[in-house]
Amino acid sequence: AQSVTQPDIHITVSEGASLELRCNYSYGATPYLFWYVQSPGQGLQLLLKYFSGDTLVQGIKGFEAEFKRSQSSFNLRKPSVHWSDAAEYFCAVGPLEYGNKLVFGAGTILRVKS
Amino acid sequence: EPEVTQTPSHQVTQMGQEVILRCVPISNHLYFYWYRQILGQKVEFLVSFYNNEISEKSEIFDDQFSVERPDGSNFTLKIRSTKLEDSAMYFCASSELEATGELFFGEGSRLTVL
Repeated sequence: AQSVTQPDIHITVSEGASLELRCNYSYGATPYLFWYVQSPGQGLQLLLKYFSGDTLVQGIKGFEAEFKRSQSSFNLRKPSVHWSDAAEYFCAVGPLEYGNKLVFGAGTILRVKS
Repeated sequence: EPEVTQTPSHQVTQMGQEVILRCVPISNHLYFYWYRQILGQKVEFLVSFYNNEISEKSEIFDDQFSVERPDGSNFTLKIRSTKLEDSAMYFCASSELEATGELFFGEGSRLTVL
């Protein structure tokens, strides 16, 4: 069965510092991978996705993620965090042939200190 | 920018009561979904809907749940007889195509069952 693990429940970084949020997945074939962000009182917003091709994908708001098949990872990175990035981040995996039935990780809450 | 809207944002109900959560997907989208997140747990897939019928449902989506697209704009989730464990945030999502992973989520409806 597919699963997604986000090992960090909370992360606190200083504004301007770099960020890496970890995501590991378990899936039998090449997965489709996603990062979503949820700001307080908001819905889930797609940051970026990986389907195939270049393993480094760029997303919105200056985020990027790298797919590493050998490590079954899809970590999210940002070189310089802004206070507005404080939110909860969800990694998800999906076998899209089954109609967008995404499996989500538990989420990582990012706090940004000034 | 088009968005998915959900009502109500928060509903409190007594155990055993029927609840209807409403969603207005993005107008040109064809695929509709409900996900839920119990407090402190992962976002979980409930059901997907296309062409006026359920295309896939999870084991959570038992006979107490139903979905409907009563007109050209609304997509509803009904829980016939709520249980305490139905308390959760329910997210509606829609997508234009099935195999893109580009789900657009609403802000969620928080259901509290007393």
